[in-house]
Amino acid sequence: DAKTTQPTSMDCAEGRAANLPCNHSTISGNEYVYWYRQIHSQGPQYIIHGLKNNETNEMASLIITEDRKSSTLILPHATLRDTAVYYCIVRGFPNYGGSQGNLIFGKGTKLSVKP
Amino acid sequence: DAGVIQSPRHEVTEMGQEVTLRCKPISGHNSLFWYRQTMMRGLELLIYFNNNVPIDDSGMPEDRFSAKMPNASFSTLKIQPSEPRDSAVYFCASSLGNRGNEQFFGPGTRLTVL
Repeated sequence: DAKTTQPTSMDCAEGRAANLPCNHSTISGNEYVYWYRQIHSQGPQYIIHGLKNNETNEMASLIITEDRKSSTLILPHATLRDTAVYYCIVRGFPNYGGSQGNLIFGKGTKLSVKP
Repeated sequence: DAGVIQSPRHEVTEMGQEVTLRCKPISGHNSLFWYRQTMMRGLELLIYFNNNVPIDDSGMPEDRFSAKMPNASFSTLKIQPSEPRDSAVYFCASSLGNRGNEQFFGPGTRLTVL
């Protein structure tokens, strides 16, 4: 089962920041928070991941609370092409064997960016 | 790089037929993953290879499903015999290093079993 809770859907105006929340209250100390997104009819696309510090890349920023029980993905200037399902995933940094560290996708948040 | 390549993009077959899905990972990547996506169950990991060796196949639904990776640039997922409940989009993904690294997904194969 997914270890995260996300809103089912969100709307955002084009050009505004999209803030997507994720709750992961049972996260353990060696588990990372990953974000992927899936645009309609495409495969999932990696966005960003972090452990406890805030992270930023060319796509987005990831803000993780100090207690690590929740996080927020921020798309600073959402465009229509950012309309997608966004998945927040908690996973351990895996060893090669077993299932630890597999990506387990939940339902995600369907983000609709509107003009 | 062309990214992860999957073929065919669409497959329609009749119940009982054998289906083979193909995947070419990104050159240099040594981890390969097969996922299945349905409306009911979402996106599920079926099997994971590292350096061409299957590491975790706990997600393979039953013996009708088999996957191989004969070399670093090719993998197949076979369903024999196929059933209507196998209808789904099947994604292949690859990554460099272990699976903690970013996974790059292919465009998927949409399978319809009549």
